[in-house]
Amino acid sequence: GAVVSQHPSRVICKSGTSVKIECRSLDFQATTMFWYRQFPKQSLMLMATSNEGSKATYEQGVEKDKFLINHASLTLSTLTVTSAHPEDSSFYICSAFDRLLSYEQYFGPGTRLTVT
Amino acid sequence: AQSVTQLGSHVSVSEGALVLLRCNYSSSVPPYLFWYVQYPNQGLQLLLKYTTGATLVKGINGFEAEFKKSETSFHLTKPSAHVSDAAEYFCAVTQAAAAGNKLTFGGGTRVLVKP
Repeated sequence: GAVVSQHPSRVICKSGTSVKIECRSLDFQATTMFWYRQFPKQSLMLMATSNEGSKATYEQGVEKDKFLINHASLTLSTLTVTSAHPEDSSFYICSAFDRLLSYEQYFGPGTRLTVT
Repeated sequence: AQSVTQLGSHVSVSEGALVLLRCNYSSSVPPYLFWYVQYPNQGLQLLLKYTTGATLVKGINGFEAEFKKSETSFHLTKPSAHVSDAAEYFCAVTQAAAAGNKLTFGGGTRVLVKP
């Protein structure tokens, strides 16, 4: 149980285009989803907290207009990188949490974004 | 406020030797503590966690960790390393008083296992 999927696992896009990454909780309802970014050989950096049906809360320094987060249902959150640039290339990981299920966050397998 | 420090960004051990990964935390309220493992180009897998109760917690793959409040530590150990243990390990903390709060991660420790 408590499986989180991400799609796509890898994506290559051209500079200036937008990319959408999906995060799904497959067997539980996620009241909260988190989006992280991980640079090579570094730790995870929290980008934003997404609660179902409400606006995402962004961490300091994260551009909300560039990283659009939507959490329209209890099983799906999306991260859209708008007007992507090479510096947005990174590994993006989501996690999902259900306070009725557990105090744990369940992590997705990650999405490797490469902007050329 | 909470923070996590992992001492040593890289650890190299021989196969069969003890693995010891150090984690110290700071938290203004009782913490929930976690150890995760990450293999290349993959997400995080939970190794073990401490919430309340027994301070020595056992996890998957033969790992265990001990919560020491007086030392604000949650070090991870495995008695005998295997080549499959080569990965990146992250210690993380969240505040028990608000379960589901944001996780704060340490910088990670990369483990290399020499055959």
